[in-house]
Amino acid sequence: EVQLLDSGGGLVQPGGSLRLSCVASGFTFSSYTMSWVRQAPGKGLEWVSTISGSGGSTYYADSVKGRFTISRDNSKNTLYLQMTSLRVEDTAVYYCAKGLSIAVAGWDYWGQGTLVTVSS
Amino acid sequence: DIQMTQSPSSVSASVGDRVTITCRASQGISRWLAWYQQKPGKAPKLLIYTASTLQSGVPSRFSGSGSGTDFTLTISSLQPEDFATYYCQQANSFPLTFGGGTKVEIK
Repeated sequence: EVQLLDSGGGLVQPGGSLRLSCVASGFTFSSYTMSWVRQAPGKGLEWVSTISGSGGSTYYADSVKGRFTISRDNSKNTLYLQMTSLRVEDTAVYYCAKGLSIAVAGWDYWGQGTLVTVSS
Repeated sequence: DIQMTQSPSSVSASVGDRVTITCRASQGISRWLAWYQQKPGKAPKLLIYTASTLQSGVPSRFSGSGSGTDFTLTISSLQPEDFATYYCQQANSFPLTFGGGTKVEIK
């Protein structure tokens, strides 16, 4: 059974940093692209970042480029999102998501979400 | 960036109704479109990918169609568990983008 367990959210002040983690199980982790998608309170979904199975390719939304870094440790089946220079507008539930086998055609499994609150 | 426009933003319907949601891309995306269902407090659930491929385990009352810039999600006979918010997402190119969502409410 595929499972994604994301964690690491919490309350942080503007300008602060946080690292999110997503532990995967039930599939060959290194064979799939992984992504982070976020949802601000009461708002729609926003793609944040994607990383290839090997970790060699990464992609970012303009809103987080230069501040967030996606990475993965395939030996630990774990996906990360290092967030720095956090802003109030980064407040959201962050989901990790597993890519379909067909490129980035969609995400077939999602974590339960971890809430990041940026506030003074 | 490719903008995704969903309509309507909300729809009121009864159990058994046929519901259609549309999604328009600001430029052609071939068939690289996915649809998701999200219930309050839960993660999104993939329904359809590559415009019309039904994800494993999703009931056959859900169907998708379209290519290029215009796409449709149809629920043939609305069930109580289908009341939720639906999102389209283009998978043609980065940055990946979502539509604004369509909330399906009980009439």
